[in-house]
Amino acid sequence: EVQLVESGGGLVQPGGSLRLSCAASGFTFNNYWMSWVRQAPGKGLEWVANIKQDGSEKYYVDSVKGRFTISRDNANNSLYLQMNSLRAEDTAVYYCARDSRAVTRNKDYWGQGTLVTVSS
Amino acid sequence: QPVLTQSSSASASLGSSVKLTCTLSSGHSSYIIAWHQQQPGKAPRYLMKLEGSGSYNKGSGVPDRFSGSSSGADRYLTISNLQSEDEADYYCETWDSNTHGGVFGGGTKLTVL
Repeated sequence: EVQLVESGGGLVQPGGSLRLSCAASGFTFNNYWMSWVRQAPGKGLEWVANIKQDGSEKYYVDSVKGRFTISRDNANNSLYLQMNSLRAEDTAVYYCARDSRAVTRNKDYWGQGTLVTVSS
Repeated sequence: QPVLTQSSSASASLGSSVKLTCTLSSGHSSYIIAWHQQQPGKAPRYLMKLEGSGSYNKGSGVPDRFSGSSSGADRYLTISNLQSEDEADYYCETWDSNTHGGVFGGGTKLTVL
């Protein structure tokens, strides 16, 4: 059974940093692209970043470029999101998701999410 | 960049059927999309991948009541024999080859009466 379990969320002040983790199990982690998707309170889903199987390619939504860094540890089946210079508008539930192997790379499994609140 | 347009809300009665629509922007009418369901307070769940031909592949454990179809730039999710647990937000998703990222529609909130 595929499982994705996020951790690391919490309350942080504007300008602060936070590192999210996602522990993956039930599939061969290093065979898949992985993504982070967020959802602001009462809003829809927004793709944030993704990373290739070997970590050689990483892509970000414009609003987080230069502030967020996605990474992975294939030896430990883990995905990370380092978030720096956090802003109020980064407040959201952050989901770890597996990208399918289809050409569309749609998300085919989701974690339960971890809440990040940026506030003074 | 592809844009996905969804109606903000829909409603249908218990036991009836409903057809939700996701419309691809001009120039992207052949794109494959995915449908996701998000029940209140829960994480999203992948339902299916849907091609422009109308062919679809469902995720693990998705009930037979859920089906997909296509017409031009429109991608449909049909839910038959509506159950109370189908009350949820439904999102469509596609891929932007320029940004190498996902694109989501705004979501449709389905109310089961």
